[in-house]
Amino acid sequence: DGGITQSPKYLFRKEGQNVTLSCEQNLNHDAMYWYRQDPGQGLRLIYYSQIVNDFQKGDIAEGYSVSREKKESFPLTVTSAQKNPTAFYLCASSLWDDKNIQYFGAGTRLSVL
Amino acid sequence: AQSVTQLDSQVPVFEEAPVELRCNYSSSVSVYLFWYVQYPNQGLQLLLKYLSGSTLVESINGFEAEFNKSQTSFHLRKPSVHISDTAEYFCAVSETGGFKTIFGAGTRLFVKA
Repeated sequence: DGGITQSPKYLFRKEGQNVTLSCEQNLNHDAMYWYRQDPGQGLRLIYYSQIVNDFQKGDIAEGYSVSREKKESFPLTVTSAQKNPTAFYLCASSLWDDKNIQYFGAGTRLSVL
Repeated sequence: AQSVTQLDSQVPVFEEAPVELRCNYSSSVSVYLFWYVQYPNQGLQLLLKYLSGSTLVESINGFEAEFNKSQTSFHLRKPSVHISDTAEYFCAVSETGGFKTIFGAGTRLFVKA
């Protein structure tokens, strides 16, 4: 089945720790995205990537980092600089065209211990 | 710059009643419009889309939305809701030639027995 796989489903972070969220897609999409979702705030764009080895900051990139070494994979690292990381994180992918129809993974819920 | 406004953050409704979730957008160019649905602790799923042609679009589970260019709206309707329709609904817009999607803040639909 084609789709987007996010792992883990739940993740806990200790103070001062970096954690990495995985996102893999087999839709052959060029573009991939990371969003943060907080209650009542909708989706906020963290980073996006149009092509391998290239990525752009979104609206709330501070405290996060990404890499795009393979077309299929777009991992997100939540660094210790992100002081309020508790949220639901969603990965998405799309063709790189102006319709920009995005397909989403099931999400990772990150909590702080 | 484009923006999306979902006018209601929460909509409670009784089972088998009709419902309308409102969405307005602003843009200076032609747009593509989308509704996504998110069930608890899951990612977003594309519910329906307007790309071109008929301004009335329908989903497989009975929802419909109508693109009204003069009112810059794309309201979502269903004539008779089920308990299983309880979810959060996101309106989204991308601009022709823009390569970016903006999401609304979401409307939580709660269907009561």
